[in-house]
Amino acid sequence: EVQLVESGGGLVQPGRSLRLSCAASGFTFEDYAMHWVRQAPGKGLEWVSGITWNSGKIAYADSLEGRFTISRDNAKNSLYLQMNSLRAEDTALYFCTKDKGYSYGYIDCWGQGTLVTVSS
Amino acid sequence: QSALTQPRSVSGSPGQSVTISCTGTSSDVGGYNYVSWYQQHPGKAPKLMIYDVNQRPSGVPDRFSGSKSGNTASLTISGLQAEDEADYYCCSYAGSSYVFGTGTKVTVL
Repeated sequence: EVQLVESGGGLVQPGRSLRLSCAASGFTFEDYAMHWVRQAPGKGLEWVSGITWNSGKIAYADSLEGRFTISRDNAKNSLYLQMNSLRAEDTALYFCTKDKGYSYGYIDCWGQGTLVTVSS
Repeated sequence: QSALTQPRSVSGSPGQSVTISCTGTSSDVGGYNYVSWYQQHPGKAPKLMIYDVNQRPSGVPDRFSGSKSGNTASLTISGLQAEDEADYYCCSYAGSSYVFGTGTKVTVL
């Protein structure tokens, strides 16, 4: 069974940094692209960033303005999101998600999310 | 990367059919056959219902179907059931990213 478990969320002040992690199990992690998707309280889903199986193709939502960095460690079956210069509008539940294949196609599995709250 | 446009809400009685539209551009919905649909119940993670425009994952009832014409994709739920009441989001590949729809709340009357 595929399992994606996010961690690292919490309350952080504006302008500070936070690093999210996602531990994957139940599938061959190195064979799949992965993504982060977020959902602000009471709002819709927003794709944040994606990374292919070998980190050869990385992309970000334009709205991030270069503040976030996605990475993965296939030896540790882990996905990461480094978030810098956090703003109030980054407050959201962040989901770790798995793609259907080694590159982009569609998201087929979701974690339960980790909540990030940016507030002073 | 503008969000795809969905109606805010749709409703129907049990047994009826409802259709949710998802309108994008030639750079996303119209440009690729990579449209997927997700169901989200309150407090839960989204669940994949349709992929590649009209394909159903194993375990998803055949009451759910998808289609696409030009820049607009659609999700139809036939034989509406109480458990179908949820939020639904479309999603499209957009070249080197994904873009989600604005979301539609389906209410079973």
